[in-house]
Amino acid sequence: GAGVSQSPSNKVTEKGKDVELRCDPISGHTALYWYRQSLGQGLEFLIYFQGNSAPDKSGLPSDRFSAERTGGSVSTLTIQRTQQEDSAVYLCASSFVVEETQYFGPGTRLLVL
Amino acid sequence: SQQGEEDPQALSIQEGENATMNCSYKTSINNLQWYRQNSGRGLVHLILIRSNEREKHSGRLRVTLDTSKKSSSLLITASRAADTASYFCAPSSATNKLIFGTGTLLAVQP
Repeated sequence: GAGVSQSPSNKVTEKGKDVELRCDPISGHTALYWYRQSLGQGLEFLIYFQGNSAPDKSGLPSDRFSAERTGGSVSTLTIQRTQQEDSAVYLCASSFVVEETQYFGPGTRLLVL
Repeated sequence: SQQGEEDPQALSIQEGENATMNCSYKTSINNLQWYRQNSGRGLVHLILIRSNEREKHSGRLRVTLDTSKKSSSLLITASRAADTASYFCAPSSATNKLIFGTGTLLAVQP
């Protein structure tokens, strides 16, 4: 079946602009996670959804970052007033239920000029 | 932090040899997952081992877990050039939030 998909694959934006990143989880997966990976860094947890609610937002770096999930499916990660340090690969993962295997999408490579 | 710390940071072996990577973590876990990543993208799930399991196999992969020592190991047998990648362990607790380390970079020479 289809895996986790993310769009866009690549995004180049200017400092100060807002960006929206989209994640389509595997159908039927109730849990959805956002991570980011900066150059030479490990993966950094951002936020986790169970259904449409986000029990854990502890990884969001600042109030410029927000995410929502609607219909228990698609999620969008929004970064407002982007900064150069926001440049990274943003990865989304989903799992059938919490405590099960997380399957990752291909990521969105964001470059803030 | 329950971050997994992989050891060694880099490993170079010949095709056909076995590769062993180790992972240590600090807090109690529900499960531990191993992933492979090629060229900075495409995290591929390898194995999930639960806290009540000690060993798990999947094809040429063997994972062990020692919760008393808070450590895990990943063994790849009969390695192939295609196994060249970065390998990450990711311990997780109740919310399954994965905290990755910087990984082990495995290079398999043909």
